Amino acid sequence: AQRVTQPEKLLSVFKGAPVELKCNYSYSGSPELFWYVQYSRQRLQLLLRHISRESIKGFTADLNKGETSFHLKKPFAQEEDSAMYYCALFNTDKLIFGTGTRLQVFP
Amino acid sequence: DTAVSQTPKYLVTQMGNDKSIKCEQNLGHDTMYWYKQDSKKFLKIMFSYNNKELIINETVPNRFSPKSPDKAHLNLHINSLELGDSAVYFCASSQGAGGYEQYFGPGTRLTVT
Repeated sequence: AQRVTQPEKLLSVFKGAPVELKCNYSYSGSPELFWYVQYSRQRLQLLLRHISRESIKGFTADLNKGETSFHLKKPFAQEEDSAMYYCALFNTDKLIFGTGTRLQVFP
Repeated sequence: DTAVSQTPKYLVTQMGNDKSIKCEQNLGHDTMYWYKQDSKKFLKIMFSYNNKELIINETVPNRFSPKSPDKAHLNLHINSLELGDSAVYFCASSQGAGGYEQYFGPGTRLTVT
């Protein structure tokens, strides 16, 4: 069955520290993967998708088919990165979301 | 100029009541969705409509009935509300039914007492 796993419910780091939010998926075929973010009091929005291979707000995510992972990384965390992050897999006709990781960046 | 809007933002009601949540998008998108986010922040698809046609119905109780009067609107009606229906309900839309970016509404927090 298709599934997205985000093993960390909460990730706390200090400003300037590197960040890696983990995402693993199970999917037979070529996956389409996304990261969505929800800042406090804002709506859920797309952060990045693997096919675009771009860096958004300093975040990057590389699809590793061997490890079935799509971890989200940023070399230097900022306080404004504090938010809820969801990894998502597009399967046929719907997005399957992971359980989310709350990132807290302390000053 | 809000892209995806939902009303109401908050809804507090008693068990057994019937309530509706409305969603409208002004992006010209063909596809609209309803998601449920539980108390643990887990987000799960409930329904999806493409050009007013139901394409996804994820093992949701019959008490939940979506209605799409036109491409820009997707409403959610819930009959005989139960305590377990308490959650935040998100509407979203996308250009099509493929892996397009989904644009989310602000959410409706439903509390059933």
